[in-house]
Amino acid sequence: GAVVSQHPSRVICKSGTSVKIECRSLDFQATTMFWYRQFPKQSLMLMATSNEGSKATYEQGVEKDKFLINHASLTLSTLTVTSAHPEDSSFYICSATPGTEVEKLFFGSGTQLSVL
Amino acid sequence: AQKITQTQPGMFVQEKEAVTLDCTYDTSDPSYGLFWYKQPSSGEMIFLIYQGSYDQQNATEGRYSLNFQKARKSANLVISASQLGDSAMYFCAMREASGTYKYIFGTGTRLKVLA
Repeated sequence: GAVVSQHPSRVICKSGTSVKIECRSLDFQATTMFWYRQFPKQSLMLMATSNEGSKATYEQGVEKDKFLINHASLTLSTLTVTSAHPEDSSFYICSATPGTEVEKLFFGSGTQLSVL
Repeated sequence: AQKITQTQPGMFVQEKEAVTLDCTYDTSDPSYGLFWYKQPSSGEMIFLIYQGSYDQQNATEGRYSLNFQKARKSANLVISASQLGDSAMYFCAMREASGTYKYIFGTGTRLKVLA
């Protein structure tokens, strides 16, 4: 099956620093990638939809200047949390859909971000 | 607007028994897809089963089956012969065929399989 690789799996950073999370589709071309945020024991909340070569579409309430998304190629999307603060601590998970299998959404393994 | 509702925050089932996890949805789009994902404590999201809105038969994948009641807008997941490894969080999700192709998720059901 299709594989989506997400790194790092866990990151601890100081308040005010920026953190970059990578999401790669390993064996398919992902024209669209999605970034989700999940608080403990809660559902996945869509943050933004990332299309290759174009600007990401952010959900209402998500600060685009805080959460920078770049989808530079068909296999790579990055999420940068800029000037992170403790309230940004969360589980971030990316997902990708190959154009030929739109009925499936493949997920990365997630990144646990802790901002001190 | 599309919406997914999972009304069972937690469920218990005895090992080897079957269990049904409820999911109802709401959409105005005639074409949509319904999914179930499993999330163990490690955090990864594992695809379980998919049902298209135009599929005539209920989807099945091994021990998983989806009880699709289109008129009731329900898409319940049935797990047969539960195993201890089935203990996890289960999310129902929906994708509309039109528009932005976004996937939305329900609030999840935590399943605990008892030995």
